[in-house]
Amino acid sequence: AQSVTQLDSHVSVSEGTPVLLRCNYSSSYSPSLFWYVQHPNKGLQLLLKYTSAATLVKGINGFEAEFKKSETSFHLTKPSAHMSDAAEYFCVVGGYSTLTFGKGTMLLVSP
Amino acid sequence: NAGVTQTPKFQVLKTGQSMTLQCAQDMNHNSMYWYRQDPGMGLRLIYYSASEGTTDKGEVPNGYNVSRLNKREFSLRLESAAPSQTSVYFCASRTLMTEMNTEAFFGQGTRLTVV
Repeated sequence: AQSVTQLDSHVSVSEGTPVLLRCNYSSSYSPSLFWYVQHPNKGLQLLLKYTSAATLVKGINGFEAEFKKSETSFHLTKPSAHMSDAAEYFCVVGGYSTLTFGKGTMLLVSP
Repeated sequence: NAGVTQTPKFQVLKTGQSMTLQCAQDMNHNSMYWYRQDPGMGLRLIYYSASEGTTDKGEVPNGYNVSRLNKREFSLRLESAAPSQTSVYFCASRTLMTEMNTEAFFGQGTRLTVV
């Protein structure tokens, strides 16, 4: 069995400040983990994925995430937020049959 | 590159009507999925198909049926629509279900309203 908990439903930042979106997971085996982004009225786009090759994963648009097995976490970060980063972000754990989604974190970026 | 294509993009149904949501992928993927997205709930799996000829229930299958028509196409049918089925529906595909580290590719979604 696997599950994902996104710890914040909304995160607000100012443009140019760091972004931290938190995700904890539960999995019966070594997990595959993903972050997807969804801009308003759009489909889902893959930001990055963890596949056990390296604990620090770099993705598109300056995002990165660090896998911490001891904390069962896979938090998403970005050093400096842009207005275009405003969107909903989903942490996802991959299993053999399905992908299990967290409930999402809405990132709000103010000028 | 089309990727995953869903039709229609928008639909309004009356309670009790039926309809089929269509999904096609051109990436030669084996696995296909139908999710629904509701505010604050993330994406929940309705049905999936590991390969052509097989389908399995996901987390919220009640009120839905699916057909894996061929490797490319995976349709979702609502036999008697209910207001609780008002949602945004996403189709997705994935290279091989048994490969845990492969990501899914998503269509643009179908926004369905049942009145």
